[in-house]
Amino acid sequence: NAGVTQTPKFQVLKTGQSMTLQCAQDMNHEYMSWYRQDPGMGLRLIHYSVGAGITDQGEVPNGYNVSRSTTEDFPLRLLSAAPSQTSVYFCASSSGQVFTFGSGTRLTVV
Amino acid sequence: GDSVTQMEGPVTLSEEAFLTINCTYTATGYPSLFWYVQYPGEGLQLLLKATKADDKGSNKGFEATYRKETTSFHLEKGSVQVSDSAVYFCALRDLGNAGNMLTFGGGTRLMVKP
Repeated sequence: NAGVTQTPKFQVLKTGQSMTLQCAQDMNHEYMSWYRQDPGMGLRLIHYSVGAGITDQGEVPNGYNVSRSTTEDFPLRLLSAAPSQTSVYFCASSSGQVFTFGSGTRLTVV
Repeated sequence: GDSVTQMEGPVTLSEEAFLTINCTYTATGYPSLFWYVQYPGEGLQLLLKATKADDKGSNKGFEATYRKETTSFHLEKGSVQVSDSAVYFCALRDLGNAGNMLTFGGGTRLMVKP
């Protein structure tokens, strides 16, 4: 009964480094999405996917890439990390009114 | 576009006090409305939801009523406990969106003192 699994939980990057945040779900949900959480701004949508092979941009997509090669996995790639990407990142999967969130990745870019 | 506005925090209350966290929304369609709670160091958990006008969502003593005429979904609890200390997010899901995603308010931190 894993739900949505995010790894890693914590990460420190240097400016300019790249990395991939992993997200996997075992509920066979079609929809998956990535949000970032910043103080006072709630959660803002980065990218989303409506099914395997289909992705689209959300509110704040710049500096991030995604892919959806399988229903289960939806990794988020930071191409060249910047201090402005310091945040807590949440992956979510959904079906209808049911949204399930991962436990988050706290990323610090120095 | 869609938006959600909720009262800024932090909100500090004594145990057993009455809680109201205001939430208003703007949406082009007929959204579903949600309250999520985030306890320290954890992810988001669904607290309650309402899918149409005049619906009341309730859970763990919390309630919120979907008011279409005032575009509001205020969260209330009659008697808060220390264990209710958390960040609360109001959110909407607009069926008109191509993807199934949520639009969140900025969050309200609640601190309950014994």
